[in-house]
Amino acid sequence: GQQLNQSPQSMFIQEGEDVSMNCTSSSIFNTWLWYKQDPGEGPVLLIALYKAGELTSNGRLTAQFGITRKDSFLNISASIPSDVGIYFCAGQLTHAGKSTFGDGTTLTVKP
Amino acid sequence: GAGVSQTPSNKVTEKGKYVELRCDPISGHTALYWYRQSLGQGPEFLIYFQGTGAADDSGLPNDRFFAVRPEGSVSTLKIQRTERGDSAVYLCASRGPNTEAFFGQGTRLTVV
Repeated sequence: GQQLNQSPQSMFIQEGEDVSMNCTSSSIFNTWLWYKQDPGEGPVLLIALYKAGELTSNGRLTAQFGITRKDSFLNISASIPSDVGIYFCAGQLTHAGKSTFGDGTTLTVKP
Repeated sequence: GAGVSQTPSNKVTEKGKYVELRCDPISGHTALYWYRQSLGQGPEFLIYFQGTGAADDSGLPNDRFFAVRPEGSVSTLKIQRTERGDSAVYLCASRGPNTEAFFGQGTRLTVV
């Protein structure tokens, strides 16, 4: 089946630094999604991408849908302590269908 | 409430027992999804309902797992003859016609 490789697995950064993480797939997706999950909570959607090449921002977050449809990246600028958590990428083949998730990037921000 | 509600939040059961996990979606959301998340991994798809019917149940691992949504709203995930390997967080999500999916907080199932 489809697999998503998400990297890095974990990151330790200083407050104020920028962060970049990415996701690659062995096959194409038509929608890419980025989620954040805090302990004991469900994933919360950060950004949704629907078109190859699309670049979308949500506050300090920017994500891009790769031209090949097989990858996506998420950038966080000027990190703050509340950015701590696990970030997941997810791909969908059809808009209404299931999501395939990566295994997450754990972000730690040191004040 | 306004969000997806899952009950119970925690469930401990003995190996071999039967369990039911409940999901109350956001009102008016016709699509409902179940995922399973093991420690250190991303959510893994189990089943997707559109209304009352299962549109895609390809993620159910075996015939011990079954889910229903009889009135197109609340859904129940049922696991028979539980095994220790079934221990995980079971997540439910619902989606409206013009939104992406919203997740509940999950049910942490521990099989001892």
